Amino acid sequence: KQEVTQIPAALSVPEGENLVLNCSFTDSAIYNLQWFRQDPGKGLTSLLLIQSSQREQTSGRLNASLDKSSGRSTLYIAASQPGDSATYLCAVSSKAAGNKLTFGGGTRVLVKP
Amino acid sequence: NAGVTQTPKFQVLKTGQSMTLQCAQDMNHNSMYWYRQDPGMGLRLIYYSASEGTTDKGEVPNGYNVSRLNKREFSLRLESAAPSQTSVYFCASSELGHPNYGYTFGSGTRLTVV
Repeated sequence: KQEVTQIPAALSVPEGENLVLNCSFTDSAIYNLQWFRQDPGKGLTSLLLIQSSQREQTSGRLNASLDKSSGRSTLYIAASQPGDSATYLCAVSSKAAGNKLTFGGGTRVLVKP
Repeated sequence: NAGVTQTPKFQVLKTGQSMTLQCAQDMNHNSMYWYRQDPGMGLRLIYYSASEGTTDKGEVPNGYNVSRLNKREFSLRLESAAPSQTSVYFCASSELGHPNYGYTFGSGTRLTVV
């Protein structure tokens, strides 16, 4: 059974610092890994999708890496801003889950001005 | 805007009442999903439809039914609502099993059962 863990559960940083969010998964037979952002009371917004054959994806200040063999992904957010405050969710699509998404518990981020 | 549309956005039900949550996507995806999100429990899959004409149970299907009306629409029905079904419900769509495609989520339905 695929299990996804995100550590830490919460993170608070001053504005301008780089953010590093971690995601680990137990079964390396994945199709892809997706990072989402969720603002309070809102839906999930897709940030980055990394296919199993890829090592990283970048979009603006966001960079996500994938190490399938060790079951880890890291989301880097450069030069954080108060608008980056949200919950970040990692999810993997894997054979163990019948190709369906398995979510981590999320990391709640607060960027202080 | 292209994406996944859910209605209603908010709903309050009395125990025992029934209702249907509606979901439509305009991305021509084959697969659609219903999740619920609860504090401390994360997102859990209720039902999914891998393709038009098929539906399957997810992790927490009890108390729910679904209908894949056509390729665009996938509805979730609560026949007799219970307080334990108070949650935020999200619909999503994707191309199941295709690594190039991720999931797109709707904005959610906040349901309270009193």
